[in-house]
Amino acid sequence: DTAVSQTPKYLVTQMGNDKSIKCEQNLGHDTMYWYKQDSKKFLKIMFSYNNKELIINETVPNRFSPKSPDKAHLNLHINSLELGDSAVYFCASGSLDSKNIQYFGAGTRLSVL
Amino acid sequence: GNSVTQMEGPVTLSEEAFLTINCTYTATGYPSLFWYVQYPGEGLQLLLKATKADDKGSNKGFEATYRKETTSFHLEKGSVQVSDSAVYFCALSLSSNTGKLIFGQGTTLQVKP
Repeated sequence: DTAVSQTPKYLVTQMGNDKSIKCEQNLGHDTMYWYKQDSKKFLKIMFSYNNKELIINETVPNRFSPKSPDKAHLNLHINSLELGDSAVYFCASGSLDSKNIQYFGAGTRLSVL
Repeated sequence: GNSVTQMEGPVTLSEEAFLTINCTYTATGYPSLFWYVQYPGEGLQLLLKATKADDKGSNKGFEATYRKETTSFHLEKGSVQVSDSAVYFCALSLSSNTGKLIFGQGTTLQVKP
């Protein structure tokens, strides 16, 4: 069983559209994260939820809205997509009492045309 | 601010060569330090970690020692294999309340037979 799974794996869409990426973890962790990896492989934290509460909210356009319906799920909704949103988005999960070890999904490659 | 700097890649080595990937950090407190590895088309996986000064993390033949005096956490392996080809990320974490990871820019390793 995949520990952290994201869907879809690839997402190609037009500028101005709204899209969602879903993430689920079956590791029993209490914290989930969204990261953005740009074309140069640089990784940056975007959001984090702990027990369904937002605990990290970096400087991200408000077109990006995370939603955590329960501890095992963290979805990312993006409104009015722009060319600069093209990137690979990674979901991760971890437990805050486990020395910050995080487990990553395989990523969602978003291409905005 | 808190940051991580890694050596520029790509690093190209022949099989069985010795590997060093340099990593230095800037932090306001006493961070935990990590090396993550990203194989092509996959998410990141934890390779090794160290939580305090002089700790040595090790896994799969890779090692890194937490050097507080030089604020470094260099990754080494005595004999690389083609299967080690990947992108390697150094990261730090200062917050046990959020688990936030700050990554370096990643170093691509290519091992040739």
